Amino acid sequence: DAGVTQSPTHLIKTRGQHVTLRCSPISGHKSVSWYQQVLGQGPQFIFQYYEKEERGRGNFPDRFSARQFPNYSSELNVNALLLGDSALYLCASSHRGLDQPQHFGDGTRLSIL
Amino acid sequence: TQLLEQSPQFLSIQEGENLTVYCNSSSVFSSLQWYRQEPGEGPVLLVTVVTGGEVKKLKRLTFQFGDARKDSSLHITAAQPGDTGLYLCAGAASGTYKYIFGTGTRLKVLA
Repeated sequence: DAGVTQSPTHLIKTRGQHVTLRCSPISGHKSVSWYQQVLGQGPQFIFQYYEKEERGRGNFPDRFSARQFPNYSSELNVNALLLGDSALYLCASSHRGLDQPQHFGDGTRLSIL
Repeated sequence: TQLLEQSPQFLSIQEGENLTVYCNSSSVFSSLQWYRQEPGEGPVLLVTVVTGGEVKKLKRLTFQFGDARKDSSLHITAAQPGDTGLYLCAGAASGTYKYIFGTGTRLKVLA
């Protein structure tokens, strides 16, 4: 079975631009969550979605938004990119929610110039 | 703010040595997960601990969940170079919809 897949794997943007990252969960998983991992640190929770509804949100500005589609795939959008948004963006899926183990993709490496 | 603090932050040991990594919080967790992450990859789930006092073994790795479900430990016996990586504990504190990661322990096992 395919694991969590994310696209693109790498992306280079400039300050002020907008970016959309995509995630396909493991088949049968209905919950998707997003994380930002800055070099040398652990992942930081951004959002969790379950059955297309936002269930949880971390301490990120409103420039970050996400949505989940009927097929349970998800997009993370970031507007007005800043240099500090450079990071590895990870998507994870689970059957129901955050009280269950999260299965991670290999992430999208976003670099802001 | 719920925090998961890991210690030590860095660990460099010789092959064959034993080590323990600690994960501590002031919050209660319904479950905790341990992951290992290698450069350029996402975290890979090692184990989930659910019950206070629970001990789980995965080959040379032993995981324990504290009785009060506020802390956990990972013990590696006879470490091997293949154990090298970033070890992360993580979980959703009871009553929250936020999944938080520990500060991480970067392990290097020298041959």
